[in-house]
Amino acid sequence: SAVISQKPSRDICQRGTSLTIQCQVDSQVTMMFWYRQQPGQSLTLIATANQGSEATYESGFVIDKFPISRPNLTFSTLTVSNMSPEDSSIYLCSVGVGSGHINEQFFGPGTRLTVL
Amino acid sequence: GQQVMQIPQYQHVQEGEDFTTYCNSSTTLSNIQWYKQRPGGHPVFLIQLVKSGEVKKQKRLTFQFGEAKKNSSLHITATQTTDVGTYFCAGRRYAGYSTLTFGKGTMLLVSP
Repeated sequence: SAVISQKPSRDICQRGTSLTIQCQVDSQVTMMFWYRQQPGQSLTLIATANQGSEATYESGFVIDKFPISRPNLTFSTLTVSNMSPEDSSIYLCSVGVGSGHINEQFFGPGTRLTVL
Repeated sequence: GQQVMQIPQYQHVQEGEDFTTYCNSSTTLSNIQWYKQRPGGHPVFLIQLVKSGEVKKQKRLTFQFGEAKKNSSLHITATQTTDVGTYFCAGRRYAGYSTLTFGKGTMLLVSP
């Protein structure tokens, strides 16, 4: 298993500013992901955070808007840049644990972001 | 791209009644996972199904993976108030470390 912590747990930000969310895992993991979940909605994958190389972004998400760092196997950050009210959401860090066919994903507690 | 559809979107049952949520993928899957998210919480892994036609049970929960590996279901027998939450299926197209595509979830409300 993996225990994941995220900081901050919530924030209220002004339009046009940026927020960096931190994700810390209690063990080394290969696969680390960032998701967005809008209220009452499903989880949408933003990107896969790759250690030592640029993140892999899903369709509709770009590095300029959501820069990601992954300096080592236990830590990652997601920045939400030049925020607008449409960015209000819960941002979740997730890690994949397992091998072969069995790959369980553990989720952090999430960061609830409100943009005014 | 791959799409995972889940129905119903919402269900309200009386405690003791059964509940089923269905998941359908637009593409054949390598495996499918189920997660539960309690109100205000984060998704928690329940189970993974890999084999065609696979059926797994966890106490009152029964999970099935279709023969064509494109659909899955979660059935809860005799629901309890502790079953309240949103149940998500998530499909993985390829084995190993490929990404998961989540369904929209089924929100279950159980009245005592």
